[in-house]
Amino acid sequence: GAVVSQHPSWVICKSGTSVKIECRSLDFQATTMFWYRQFPKQSLMLMATSNEGSKATYEQGVEKDKFLINHASLTLSTLTVTSAHPEDSSFYICSARGAGAYYYEQYFGPGTRLTVT
Amino acid sequence: KQEVTQIPAALSVPEGENLVLNCSFTDSAIYNLQWFRQDPGKGLTSLLLIQSSQREQTSGRLNASLDKSSGRSTLYIAASQPGDSATYLCAVGRNRDDKIIFGKGTRLHILP
Repeated sequence: GAVVSQHPSWVICKSGTSVKIECRSLDFQATTMFWYRQFPKQSLMLMATSNEGSKATYEQGVEKDKFLINHASLTLSTLTVTSAHPEDSSFYICSARGAGAYYYEQYFGPGTRLTVT
Repeated sequence: KQEVTQIPAALSVPEGENLVLNCSFTDSAIYNLQWFRQDPGKGLTSLLLIQSSQREQTSGRLNASLDKSSGRSTLYIAASQPGDSATYLCAVGRNRDDKIIFGKGTRLHILP
């Protein structure tokens, strides 16, 4: 149980375009989802927290108009990187937390590698 | 502000040896502490989760300890194998609704 998937696993896009990354909880309802970014040889940094049906809460320094997060259902959250630039190239990882037995830890997806050319 | 430090940053040991990875955190008011494994270019695999009221957790050849008062945790790996080669991340949560703070990880290489 507690499986989280991400799609796509990797994506290459041109500078100035937008790209959407999906995060799905496959076998539990995710009341809260988290989006992290990881640069090479660096640790994970939280970008934003989203609760189902509510606006996301962004960490300091993260541009909410650039990184659009939607958590419209209990099993799906999306991160859209708008007007992507090469400096947005990174590894994006989502995690999810549910209710009941799924409340006590975050369950992580496999990550999405974004390369902006 | 919670800070998580992992020492060493990298470690190479011969196969079969027992080893210890260290994690320290600055604020002892944590809710839980978790150890993850990350293979190159991959996501995170949760290894062990220790609640603040617990002292240790064990899973197979892995044992994680937690000393909240001193702000330290260790991950003990027994009889290391080449397949254990990966980056090991320590992460602490302040409370159930707060974010997880990650350390930078220890890159472990087990020599065959």
